[in-house]
Amino acid sequence: GESVGLHLPTLSVQEGDNSIINCAYSNSASDYFIWYKQESGKGPQFIIDIRSNMDKRQGQRVTVLLNKTVKHLSLQIAATQPGDSAVYFCAENNPGTASKLTFGTGTRLQVTL
Amino acid sequence: DAGVIQSPRHEVTEMGQEVTLRCKPISGHNSLFWYRQTMMRGLELLIYFNNNVPIDDSGMPEDRFSAKMPNASFSTLKIQPSEPRDSAVYFCASSLGGEGPQHFGDGTRLSIL
Repeated sequence: GESVGLHLPTLSVQEGDNSIINCAYSNSASDYFIWYKQESGKGPQFIIDIRSNMDKRQGQRVTVLLNKTVKHLSLQIAATQPGDSAVYFCAENNPGTASKLTFGTGTRLQVTL
Repeated sequence: DAGVIQSPRHEVTEMGQEVTLRCKPISGHNSLFWYRQTMMRGLELLIYFNNNVPIDDSGMPEDRFSAKMPNASFSTLKIQPSEPRDSAVYFCASSLGGEGPQHFGDGTRLSIL
């Protein structure tokens, strides 16, 4: 029979446009969040992180927004480039275990020319 | 700077054989994590170490799986005997003090025939 895998939501964005990738996290006690980018054949690559005492953090072309009220995290990528095409994961820490992360299922970003 | 180094990058073997995956964390990092990634289940934490000591192995699927960290610069994940359902990409990651992001290697793609 046909195997059923995780269905990754896909976001298609035109080159040069801004991308917004969303993530709902599960534990209101989580206090550290990370966004990762995974390209085909590679491991997840750290992009940006944010702690719960902040609601916004900016990096180079990327911004992470945290809304603790609704347990929502977003990654904004400015001026999206073909090299941004990848699967993006959010991760939250397990409170009380600073090291242990729980990963979301991921969003595939496709950049069209 | 050298990142997390995993070997081998690919492994194909017959069921019943012993498989050993290797990981060298980033120098100075004292937390090490083993993950498994499949289409069906996404990214799953198998076990993690702090200062070479296993802290949480609740993600290890069965007794066929074991992991060791004999020193701060080396860890192994062993499967004995291997089964086709163990086929996946296995990632190693490391972090500093559990306070910062985890950095991943490029994984070992394991195929059990």
